[in-house]
Amino acid sequence: QQQVKQSPQSLIVQKGGISIINCAYENTAFDYFPWYQQFPGKGPALLIAIRPDVSEKKEGRFTISFNKSAKQFSLHIMDSQPGDSATYFCAGQYNYGQNFVFGPGTRLSVLP
Amino acid sequence: DTEVTQTPKHLVMGMTNKKSLKCEQHMGHRAMYWYKQKAKKPPELMFVYSYEKLSINESVPSRFSPECPNSSLLNLHLHALQPEDSALYLCASSLIGGNQPQHFGDGTRLSIL
Repeated sequence: QQQVKQSPQSLIVQKGGISIINCAYENTAFDYFPWYQQFPGKGPALLIAIRPDVSEKKEGRFTISFNKSAKQFSLHIMDSQPGDSATYFCAGQYNYGQNFVFGPGTRLSVLP
Repeated sequence: DTEVTQTPKHLVMGMTNKKSLKCEQHMGHRAMYWYKQKAKKPPELMFVYSYEKLSINESVPSRFSPECPNSSLLNLHLHALQPEDSALYLCASSLIGGNQPQHFGDGTRLSIL
């Protein structure tokens, strides 16, 4: 029940295209859902985050869509660029972040 | 550059050595975390400190010993590690209360010979 599922495992997109990564969870105790971007040799960097009482959040080219009833959420990267090539992790947290679970990750490659 | 600083960036040690990993943040965060990340896997939570007290230990073997000497510093003491402990060790910190994201350092790449 702690698990956060994520798909696809890997994704290849052409430059300028839309990248879509989907996540799902079971634990209704989760109250915050951050997305992290990780480049090789670096730590995960916070990209964007959403609370379950919000259906959509947009920051620049990055948008989270949240469906509370379905317990699903997704990351959309508009106008994908080669510099977006990285591993993306969705996550769920509760208990003021003391309980934190990453999804398994999606390796995104954006072709020039 | 991240605001969570981890040293050293790389560490190679034998199975009988004792070494320590260090993590430092000056963002006023009172929660600090240690994670272990294997290649092509997500980070796995090891320990959580809240207000300098250990609040979560995810059944980590005793050869890993965390320490939080003050609100800005977090150490991970290593002793008698096994080859399977080779991984990227990540430190993170966050504010406490409400929905607060964790901020990660770039990790220490640990290799056990």
